[in-house]
Amino acid sequence: KAGVTQTPRYLIKTRGQQVTLSCSPISGHRSVSWYQQTPGQGLQFLFEYFSETQRNKGNFPGRFSGRQFSNSRSEMNVSTLELGDSALYLCASSSENRGLNTEAFFGQGTRLTVV
Amino acid sequence: GDSVTQMEGPVTLSEEAFLTINCTYTATGYPSLFWYVQYPGEGLQLLLKATKADDKGSNKGFEATYRKETTSFHLEKGSVQVSDSAVYFCALSTPHFNKFYFGSGTKLNVKP
Repeated sequence: KAGVTQTPRYLIKTRGQQVTLSCSPISGHRSVSWYQQTPGQGLQFLFEYFSETQRNKGNFPGRFSGRQFSNSRSEMNVSTLELGDSALYLCASSSENRGLNTEAFFGQGTRLTVV
Repeated sequence: GDSVTQMEGPVTLSEEAFLTINCTYTATGYPSLFWYVQYPGEGLQLLLKATKADDKGSNKGFEATYRKETTSFHLEKGSVQVSDSAVYFCALSTPHFNKFYFGSGTKLNVKP
């Protein structure tokens, strides 16, 4: 069974640009979550999608957005990039619909550098 | 709100030493608790989990027991190896939400 796949692995963008990151969850998983990891703030929850609907959202500005497609693949978009957006962006997929035993399986992440 | 606090690192140990990484949590309701490990340049891998009080999660020689009375989930290993060098994250998820709260991570360095 293939794991969570994130593309691309590395990105370098300029301030003011926008970027789109992609995540393919484990086959059969319908929940996809996104996290931002930085040395200063640690792992912070961005948002979660289930069956193409955003169910949870973290405390990030509106420049951060996402969507999920009917095949459960998800994309997140960051517009008007700032230097502080440089981070490792992790995608996680889960099988349960808010089940008690839900565990998240993480991809290898996309390392975004904003210059 | 829900949160996780874990001990600051880095933790440096010699091979075959005993490891403890402390983790405490604050949560409404009855969370599930997890330990994840992150190797350099990689994502997070689930190490072990516990879903209710007094449950013990274990994997690859690592153990952690869900202690509701002390709101803790400390990670232990009896004899660490160089290959255990990584960053360890304690996390919780609460029922009805596929949202994880992570601790700040503890870097473990094991010397030969």
